Amino acid sequence: AQTVTQSQPEMSVQEAETVTLSCTYDTSESDYYLFWYKQPPSRQMILVIRQEAYKQQNATENRFSVNFQKAAKSFSLKISDSQLGDAAMYFCALTGGLGLTFGKGTHLIIQP
Amino acid sequence: DTAVSQTPKYLVTQMGNDKSIKCEQNLGHDTMYWYKQDSKKFLKIMFSYNNKELIINETVPNRFSPKSPDKAHLNLHINSLELGDSAVYFCASSSGTSGMGEQYFGPGTRLTVT
Repeated sequence: AQTVTQSQPEMSVQEAETVTLSCTYDTSESDYYLFWYKQPPSRQMILVIRQEAYKQQNATENRFSVNFQKAAKSFSLKISDSQLGDAAMYFCALTGGLGLTFGKGTHLIIQP
Repeated sequence: DTAVSQTPKYLVTQMGNDKSIKCEQNLGHDTMYWYKQDSKKFLKIMFSYNNKELIINETVPNRFSPKSPDKAHLNLHINSLELGDSAVYFCASSSGTSGMGEQYFGPGTRLTVT
């Protein structure tokens, strides 16, 4: 069975600073995708960034980037220049045969 | 233009009732899903469905059943509602049938069973 672990239930960062959210996973698949989703208080699930396992290059989307370490099965999300609008729950997710397997989430607080 | 829509957004009902949640996607995607998010925010897959195959998470009670009238719709029927069914239910869709693409989520339906 696949697992996704987010070991930080809550993180806090000052506005304009950088924060890194951790995620580790386990899968027996050789081909898979990893995602970070953001869920603000509105509860809408918003895709932040995706990473294909076969790509060695780390994905980047504006202020969001990942550190993908395939051998270590680690997939962390770095948010640069944190903004108040980044405050949300962040979920790491892994593709599988049935659907996405999610971690338990990290609640990110932005301090003004 | 809403990509994945769900109705209703809020649903309050009593134990023992039967209810349905509707989901529609206008992305032309091949696969649709239902997820349950519990009170601790944990998201768990319930079903995935494309025009060839329904895959059911074995932990889902058979009181829950997906119904797909066509490729763009996947409704969720729940019979004999229980208190523990209270949660937010998300519909999602993705392109292809491999389950490898990113999934686009609806706004969620908050179900409260009293």
